[in-house]
Amino acid sequence: SQTIHQWPATLVQPVGSPLSLECTVEGTSNPNLYWYRQAAGRGLQLLFYSVGIGQISSEVPQNLSASRPQDRQFILSSKKLLLSDSGFYLCAWNSRPYEQYFGPGTRLTVT
Amino acid sequence: GENVEQHPSTLSVQEGDSAVIKCTYSDSASNYFPWYKQELGKGPQLIIDIRSNVGEKKDQRIAVTLNKTAKHFSLHITETQPEDSAVYFCAASSGSGGSNYKLTFGKGTLLTVNP
Repeated sequence: SQTIHQWPATLVQPVGSPLSLECTVEGTSNPNLYWYRQAAGRGLQLLFYSVGIGQISSEVPQNLSASRPQDRQFILSSKKLLLSDSGFYLCAWNSRPYEQYFGPGTRLTVT
Repeated sequence: GENVEQHPSTLSVQEGDSAVIKCTYSDSASNYFPWYKQELGKGPQLIIDIRSNVGEKKDQRIAVTLNKTAKHFSLHITETQPEDSAVYFCAASSGSGGSNYKLTFGKGTLLTVNP
C-alpha cells in the first residue's frame, strides 16, 4: 500500500532563517506531487505541483520554492522566512486521475 | 479557472441528527468531486468522491449527490456521531488531459456533533 511521509511534524523558526520541508511517498512510482499551505481559517492553498522529476509548477508567487530531486521526494524550501509563512504545510500525491491523498502535515511557526 | 463555494462554514447538530454540506462549482468541465474530512492537527482524509457520470454515491452513513445541470454537489451524513466532528472540504477537478489533476477546494465546513 502507499504511504506518504512528511517531516518534521512541527517546526519553529525565526524570521529570516532558511526552511526545508520534506515529503516522500512509498509504494507507488511517478506520482504527481503537491504542496499546500493551510493558514488559520482552514482554506487549502495550492503552492506547487510536480508531474515528474525536476518538473515544478508554481501556483502563486511567494517566498517559497519547491524541488523534486527524486521520483518520490518533494521538498519545499525558503531562503529567508517571513512571518506570513507560518501555517500548516501539507504534501499530497496521486498516481492516476482523481484520487489525491494527503500527508500528515508540518506545522510551521515563524517567530 | 474553477471556483468552488461551500456552505455553511459552520454547522452544529445533535448526535443522531443528519448533516448536509453543499458546494457549487463554476467550471462545467469539472468531472470529479471528492470530499475530505480533516481532524484537528491532521492532514485531510478522502472520505468519499463522485464522478460526473454518477448522480449519487453512498458509503454507510455518508452519501454524496451531484447535480451537473445546476453545478452543485452535497455531502450527507446520517446518524451523526461525536467522532464525525471535524472540518469537511469539498473539491472539484476537471481531470482532463495531461498528467496533472489539480483540485480546487471549498473553504471548509466546521461540523460539530453535540452529544
